[in-house]
Amino acid sequence: GAVVSQHPSWVICKSGTSVKIECRSLDFQATTMFWYRQFPKQSLMLMATSNEGSKATYEQGVEKDKFLINHASLTLSTLTVTSAHPEDSSFYICSARPSGGGYGYTFGSGTRLTVV
Amino acid sequence: GQQLNQSPQSMFIQEGEDVSMNCTSSSIFNTWLWYKQDPGEGPVLLIALYKAGELTSNGRLTAQFGITRKDSFLNISASIPSDVGIYFCAGGGPNTGNQFYFGTGTSLTVIP
Repeated sequence: GAVVSQHPSWVICKSGTSVKIECRSLDFQATTMFWYRQFPKQSLMLMATSNEGSKATYEQGVEKDKFLINHASLTLSTLTVTSAHPEDSSFYICSARPSGGGYGYTFGSGTRLTVV
Repeated sequence: GQQLNQSPQSMFIQEGEDVSMNCTSSSIFNTWLWYKQDPGEGPVLLIALYKAGELTSNGRLTAQFGITRKDSFLNISASIPSDVGIYFCAGGGPNTGNQFYFGTGTSLTVIP
């Protein structure tokens, strides 16, 4: 089955530093990947849609200069949280849509970011 | 972004009981998905629904795509302890740019 690998699974960083999170589709190509953020005991909130070879589309209220998304290949999308602050601490999850279509999007295992 | 209303917010049931939860939206969706999430993990897809009125099963789980296309339902029969987790619905499809928006979640606790 389709597998999405997300790395790192957890990270602690100092306030003001930047953190990069990787999302890889291991056994399929993904034209489109999605990035979500989830606060404790809350739902997943879509942050942005990442399209291979083009600029990401951000949801309203999400700062594109703070959350940089790069989708340079059909199997890799990265989310960089720039100048992180404690309020950015959250669980970040990616999902990938196979290039062949369909809507059974596969999710990565998530990244727990803690900014201290 | 959009958020779908899911109810109930939490459920505490005895092992062996059946479970029902639902999800409603103010928007029409072409596709409804149901996921289960364990603590510290990403969601895992349970059932995908593609057509209004569709009823689909996956083992003890059965989900339905509401006729109005603004709601969906998930039933779990004869619950077992490993059913514990948070269940999310998600709506989306071509009419939302293939983006999916998640429900508020239902936390299920099964008491042995």
